[in-house]
Order: sequence, then C-alpha cells, then structure tokens
Amino acid sequence: EVQLVESGGGLVQPGGSLRLSCAASGFTFSSYSMNWVRQAPGKGLEWVSYFGNSGSIYYADSVKGRFTISRDNAKNSLYLQMNSLRAEDTALYYCARDGGAAYEMDVWGQGTTVTVSS
Amino acid sequence: QSALTQPRSVSGSPGQSVTISCTGTSSDVGGYNYVSWYQQHPGKAPKLIIYGVSKRPSGVPDRFSGSKSGNTASLTISGLQAEDEADYYCCSYAGGDTLVFGGGTKLTVL
Repeated sequence: EVQLVESGGGLVQPGGSLRLSCAASGFTFSSYSMNWVRQAPGKGLEWVSYFGNSGSIYYADSVKGRFTISRDNAKNSLYLQMNSLRAEDTALYYCARDGGAAYEMDVWGQGTTVTVSS
Repeated sequence: QSALTQPRSVSGSPGQSVTISCTGTSSDVGGYNYVSWYQQHPGKAPKLIIYGVSKRPSGVPDRFSGSKSGNTASLTISGLQAEDEADYYCCSYAGGDTLVFGGGTKLTVL
C-alpha cells in the first residue's frame, strides 16, 4: 500500500525550530518529487515546498529563508526543517507525492500539527 | 504567489450539477495545463480528483470533470450525491516549480 506518514509536529515558541519528517512506503521513493503543504486551522491549503526527484528545491515566498526541505532516499524519508517560527506558521502540515504527470499531488499523508505559541 | 480565486461556497440538490470556478492569471492557470483539483472532507487529507486540467485519476467517478478557458479553470460535478459535500481546492503550477492553491470552495448538497 502506498503510504505517507508525517511526524515531528508539536508546540513551539515563536522564534523556535522544529523538524518534520515524512516516511514513505509502498513505492520507489527516489523516483518521485515530493511536496509539503500546510493548512492553518479553519483555512485553506497552502503549498510550502517542493523537492524534485532530480534535486531541484523550491519554496513559497512565505517560508523562504526560514524553512529547509531535504530528503534521504536511502531512508525513504522527506524532511522539513522549520526555523524562526511565527504564529502564522501554525498549521497541519501534509507531505504529498508529486504524481509525475502535471504537478499533481496524488498521495497525501494524514498530516502533523505544528502550533507556534508562547 | 497570490492565491487563486474560488467562490467561497456553492450548493446544489442531489442529481443536479454544480460548477466551481478557479481564476488565476496568465502566470499560473492561463499559462500552463497544470491545474489540479482536490476534494477534502472534514478532518481528512485532501484527495486528488482532477489533474492536468481535465484528467481523472483511476477510481474517481466520471461525474467529476475539469476544463479551462483562459485564466479560469472549472470543476463540474454532475449527478450530485450526498457524499460530494466537501471542500474543493484548485491548484496550479505557477512557474519555477512553484504551486499555488485556490482559497477553497465549500460544496453543500441540499
């Protein structure tokens, strides 16, 4: 079964750091590009970052310079290092696989919650 | 990276058809055939229902269809069913391997 499982969320103070993980299974992880997408409480979806299977990396303007995406193909894992966290970063963070045809996200995890508050 | 514009809500009765619009610019929706649509039920992860403007993933009923004209993409759901009640989001490639979502539309089945 194709599956993505996020972990690492929690409560952190403003200005703090957190590292999210996404464990992939059921498919050849190294062959796929991956995304992080977040959803603030009661709000819509927001694309956060992309890690291409060829190594390209891109970020939304809202997180550029503060967040770092990485992956370990040997461990079938995607990561998101989040620094200088702000209250507006509070959200459910999803890991999503790029389907490879038209930048669609065809597999999603259940998400991990990040709360930034003092 | 401005969000795409969707109506906040739409509604329809069982068996009817509804269309949800998604308006962007020539830098995103209008510039590429890379529009996808996602269905999200409360407390659940989003589910891909349309990609590449009008393609349906395996398992998605053909009641769901997508199209695009200029800078506006549309999702049409025909033969509405109670289980279609959910939030719907469009998403477009916006160049430079960046993506942008719409604000989301709440579909109510009356």
